[in-house]
Amino acid sequence: GEDVEQSLFLSVREGDSSVINCTYTDSSSTYLYWYKQEPGAGLQLLTYIFSNMDMKQDQRLTVLLNKKDKHLSLRIADTQTGDSAIYFCAESIGGYQKVTFGTGTKLQVIP
Amino acid sequence: NAGVMQNPRHLVRRRGQEARLRCSPMKGHSHVYWYRQLPEEGLKFMVYLQKENIIDESGMPKERFSAEFPKEGPSILRIQQVVRGDSAAYFCASSPPTGAYETQYFGPGTRLLVL
Repeated sequence: GEDVEQSLFLSVREGDSSVINCTYTDSSSTYLYWYKQEPGAGLQLLTYIFSNMDMKQDQRLTVLLNKKDKHLSLRIADTQTGDSAIYFCAESIGGYQKVTFGTGTKLQVIP
Repeated sequence: NAGVMQNPRHLVRRRGQEARLRCSPMKGHSHVYWYRQLPEEGLKFMVYLQKENIIDESGMPKERFSAEFPKEGPSILRIQQVVRGDSAAYFCASSPPTGAYETQYFGPGTRLLVL
């Protein structure tokens, strides 16, 4: 079945690292994504990882994938107040791009 | 290159009225997806369309909801006889026709409020 779970809330101090976690249940996932949603806005694709990769780094963002445990994480280094948003984990399955989203983690950055 | 455009950004309807939501994909994109986001929830897939074809509508409610993506013009998500439970943000995404695993680019959403 398709189910993506995330913790609802995370609070960090400015300058610290943030780690947002996600678990998914469908082992046939092909791509896993992290999206950012600021208040009243659409979703911005931050990064994605193909299911045969373990890690992907893109500037301040590091994605780790543990396929055995079906666990995905997003690490944001040197978190800034502008990183405050809701972060959605998502997976795509199958031969096209039907995407299943998690419930989102609200990141609050304290100055 | 303009991104995915949706209009209106906000829509208020009374119960029983019709809501029409429009989505113009990015230039060169021929695949369109509609998602619904209820308050405090993640996005739920509704429908996937290519030009003049519905590919997957497994997430669409069986009644009152329909979607189209004509050869010319934007994709339309139509909700007939709206009810309060239809109040949500509706997001459209698009992707190009090439390859199998292109990522989706999202529009800013239409926030529907049913009074």
